[in-house]
Order: sequence, then structure tokens, then C-alpha cells
Amino acid sequence: AAGVIQSPRHLIKEKRETATLKCYPIPRHDTVYWYQQGPGQDPQFLISFYEKMQSDKGSIPDRFSAQQFSDYHSELNMSSLELGDSALYFCASSLGGENIQYFGAGTRLSVL
Amino acid sequence: GNSVTQMEGPVTLSEEAFLTINCTYTATGYPSLFWYVQYPGEGLQLLLKATKADDKGSNKGFEATYRKETTSFHLEKGSVQVSDSAVYFCALREGGSEKLVFGKGTKLTVNP
Repeated sequence: AAGVIQSPRHLIKEKRETATLKCYPIPRHDTVYWYQQGPGQDPQFLISFYEKMQSDKGSIPDRFSAQQFSDYHSELNMSSLELGDSALYFCASSLGGENIQYFGAGTRLSVL
Repeated sequence: GNSVTQMEGPVTLSEEAFLTINCTYTATGYPSLFWYVQYPGEGLQLLLKATKADDKGSNKGFEATYRKETTSFHLEKGSVQVSDSAVYFCALREGGSEKLVFGKGTKLTVNP
């Protein structure tokens, strides 16, 4: 069965650079979620979108922005990267009304 | 706010041993409860869930019962295998919110 696809899987950036992470949800899923997992930490919710509208917001820095497109894929844009942004970024998707989030394999971002 | 507390690891067991990973939660309402598993280098996979009090979630030999009176959702397995070695996260989702709130994770290592 198709799963959540995230790209790239690994990304290396310098401080103050920008990064764009992409997420392709499971077909027919209309809701996407973004989480950040620091080294040895639990995943922290960043933001979610339902039908291309922001549906909930967590601890997402102002330097980050995200959107969901008409084909339901989502992108997380990160600017002025800091060393502390180094983490595993997960995208998850669900079908509106379902209570289960399906996670992608994540994008590992390293900021040097 | 909502929170999840799970026993700290790491937990090391021999194959065929009994496993318990404790999880308690704090929530203002009646959340749905989940256990996710993260194998090395991979994303989060839903292991099991329960949506209301006294529900029992089960999958692959793992079980957890939603106990409202003790606000707990402990994970158990009668006989672990080497392939169960992973990090296990307890999580909750409050009604009306999109986000999952995770515990800190418990690393399980099963030795042959």
C-alpha cells in the first residue's frame, strides 16, 4: 500500500541558509501534519493542514512556514536556519474524520 | 496542558520475556490513546490505539487497555522477540485538536 512520501530523506545546510521539505500524503488523504523530533527527543507537533487550510498550529518558529497545495502535498519552508534546527522532520497524513495519523520516514536535516 | 509520561528506558530483555512499558497521561477531556513504534532509521508506525475507556488495543501480540480511573495505557507483550527491538512512544490526541502529544519514548532492546 502507498505510504507517506517525504523528500529529501537527508539534507545538509549551513547556518542562515533556507531549506524546503516536501511531503506527499497517502492518496485520498486530505490532512497533513508536520512534527519535529530532536536527537533523543519525542516528536513535537509543528503545524497541520486540512483541505489546504491551516487547521492547527503548535510550536512552529516564525522562521518556518508551510502550506498544502491543491494536490494535497505539503511543503515546510525553513529560513535563517540555526544549529538547533537539526532534527528529524516527520510528515503524517490522515483522511479527514479518521483518528489515525500515518507517518512518513522523515527528513533528517543537519545544520552545520 | 495535555501530557504523556512513560517509563524511561532503556529496557533490555531476553527473548521470550514479558514486557511492560508504563504510560500515564494528563488530559482535560477524553483523549484517544496510541502506541507508536520507531525502528532504527525509520518513521513512526502505529502499533495500536484505543479511543474510549476500557477499550483494549492489540496488534502483533502487543496489548494496551485504556484505563480512565488510573489515566493509564500501559503496553504489554507476553513474549518479546529480537525483532521487537525499537523505540516505543505513547501518545494522546485530544478531541478537537489535530496534534498528537507524545511521551519521551522508551528504547527496548531484546537479546537472543
